[in-house]
Amino acid sequence: GAVVSQHPSRVICKSGTSVKIECRSLDFQATTMFWYRQFPKQSLMLMATSNEGSKATYEQGVEKDKFLINHASLTLSTLTVTSAHPEDSSFYICSFGGAGARTDTQYFGPGTRLTVL
Amino acid sequence: DAKTTQPNSMESNEEEPVHLPCNHSTISGTDYIHWYRQLPSQGPEYVIHGLTSNVNNRMASLAIAEDRKSSTLILHRATLRDAAVYYCILHGATNKLIFGTGTLLAVQP
Repeated sequence: GAVVSQHPSRVICKSGTSVKIECRSLDFQATTMFWYRQFPKQSLMLMATSNEGSKATYEQGVEKDKFLINHASLTLSTLTVTSAHPEDSSFYICSFGGAGARTDTQYFGPGTRLTVL
Repeated sequence: DAKTTQPNSMESNEEEPVHLPCNHSTISGTDYIHWYRQLPSQGPEYVIHGLTSNVNNRMASLAIAEDRKSSTLILHRATLRDAAVYYCILHGATNKLIFGTGTLLAVQP
């Protein structure tokens, strides 16, 4: 399968600071990418969907001004958690997918564990 | 997207087959059945998908009921590295994968 990397893998920050998480696909180009977060012992929750060159579509309850997504190219997307607070501590996972066919599979990054003190 | 129902947890012995069930009684005619798994502290990985016919790949087999209201992921010989949460997801028109709670598979040596 395709290889997706995330950087950093782990980050600890102080409350009120902003954190940028980078997601790269290393061996393919994808039109659509997704950001998820996962709290301890819970399932993945989709945060937003974005297509290269256009604005992200956020799921209900996810603040677009707090979680800034930049889908800069077909191989790179970034998620910035602005003014992070302890309740934003979570495991953030990106994935790359196809244009929307029901047979499309998603390729996930290894995740970034964010801890906000 | 239609919902799926899976047991919260299952246990298997190493080198024995494992059958992971999934119910999706409200599946629509064009929904594909996808399975992903998530190892501890990692992102999910794709396992297999199918529409109507049974499917095999190097990781697993997918058996789909004739009425498509249920499916079973089959690991032919479980290893300790197969211990993970297995998610059964219906991929429909929205291009989103909506993860349920999945099945936590424990593999005993």
